[in-house]
Amino acid sequence: NAGVTQTPKFRVLKTGQSMTLLCAQDMNHEYMYWYRQDPGMGLRLIHYSVGEGTTAKGEVPDGYNVSRLKKQNFLLGLESAAPSQTSVYFCASSYGTGRTEAFFGQGTRLTVV
Amino acid sequence: EDQVTQSPEALRLQEGESSSLNCSYTVSGLRGLFWYRQDPGKGPEFLFTLYSAGEEKEKERLKATLTKKESFLHITAPKPEDSATYLCAVPGSARQLTFGSGTQLTVLP
Repeated sequence: NAGVTQTPKFRVLKTGQSMTLLCAQDMNHEYMYWYRQDPGMGLRLIHYSVGEGTTAKGEVPDGYNVSRLKKQNFLLGLESAAPSQTSVYFCASSYGTGRTEAFFGQGTRLTVV
Repeated sequence: EDQVTQSPEALRLQEGESSSLNCSYTVSGLRGLFWYRQDPGKGPEFLFTLYSAGEEKEKERLKATLTKKESFLHITAPKPEDSATYLCAVPGSARQLTFGSGTQLTVLP
């Protein structure tokens, strides 16, 4: 009964390095989301997906790419990390119909130095 | 563009001292309003969904209400374990959430 699982939980990157954050959900949800949370800024949507093979931009998409090759997984990539991308990243998922609430993972704390 | 504003930013209560948190919103068409609880180092945890003005939902010491312009989260006789950040959010057409900045609640024993 894992729900939404994010990997890794912590990471330190040097400026210019790349990395991929993995989100996996076992609830057969259609929709998946990536948010970032910064002090004083709240949670902001980066990218989202309404189904396997689809992605769309959110409020703050610049510097990030995503892929949804399998329904249960949603990947967030940073091609060239910048200090401004230091944040806590949350993945979430929800049903496409019926119940509307989103379920969140535990977060990934990323520091770019 | 959907907007969500929460107040106060922080609230300190004595155990047993009831109070309310406010969430005001501006949306083109309300598809619901969500309340979440977030503990330090954790992801947001779903509490309630409200869909129409006048609707109320309760869970233990928490009661959420909704009007056409705002929602309230009433906390009755809080305990220290109710300390957390409470977030409200409204969904877009793809259920993507626009969040408020949250109210950090501290309940002192």
